[in-house]
Amino acid sequence: SQQGEEDPQALSIQEGENATMNCSYKTSINNLQWYRQNSGRGLVHLILIRSNEREKHSGRLRVTLDTSKKSSSLLITASRAADTASYFCATDAYTGNQFYFGTGTSLTVIP
Amino acid sequence: NAGVMQNPRHLVRRRGQEARLRCSPMKGHSHVYWYRQLPEEGLKFMVYLQKENIIDESGMPKERFSAEFPKEGPSILRIQQVVRGDSAAYFCASSPPSPFRGTGELFFGEGSRLTVL
Repeated sequence: SQQGEEDPQALSIQEGENATMNCSYKTSINNLQWYRQNSGRGLVHLILIRSNEREKHSGRLRVTLDTSKKSSSLLITASRAADTASYFCATDAYTGNQFYFGTGTSLTVIP
Repeated sequence: NAGVMQNPRHLVRRRGQEARLRCSPMKGHSHVYWYRQLPEEGLKFMVYLQKENIIDESGMPKERFSAEFPKEGPSILRIQQVVRGDSAAYFCASSPPSPFRGTGELFFGEGSRLTVL
């Protein structure tokens, strides 16, 4: 299966700290995306990194991609209580039509 | 600019009944994906459709489940003879047409939560 796996499953930090979550996947990809899901809501796209990119920034988000290790990390700097949510990575199979989602990291930011 | 619209948001069915979930993609989007999410789990791919075509249904159970995306109107995910194990949140996502496979983000609806009694 192509499905990614996020690590850790759950993360609890204090407001102002940085949060790092990781994603591993199994086969070649075109790109990798990170999404956020608030409880009971749909997913919202955060950032996309292409297979030929190694690092990308968007505001307080920093994403890295290591295609040799088939892994990615999402760093949220200076976290806020409003960052509390589940975070998912999604990959597209190089020859497929699907977007595969990982099992998610549940982030709790304590005010 | 309306986002992806799903309805109903909540649906309760008894075992053996049929469930119909609707998804209207964002304006200009011709690709629709359906995903299922069980509590505390990630999203499982079910089916990928373009207008009047099922492109990939490899994630959809062979029995009782069907999906369509007609030329006019919303995409519909249909579950016949529902069982308790079908209870889940069903999410629809859409993306614009692209000449390159896998280059774009998915825009998600708020989901339809099916409860089977």
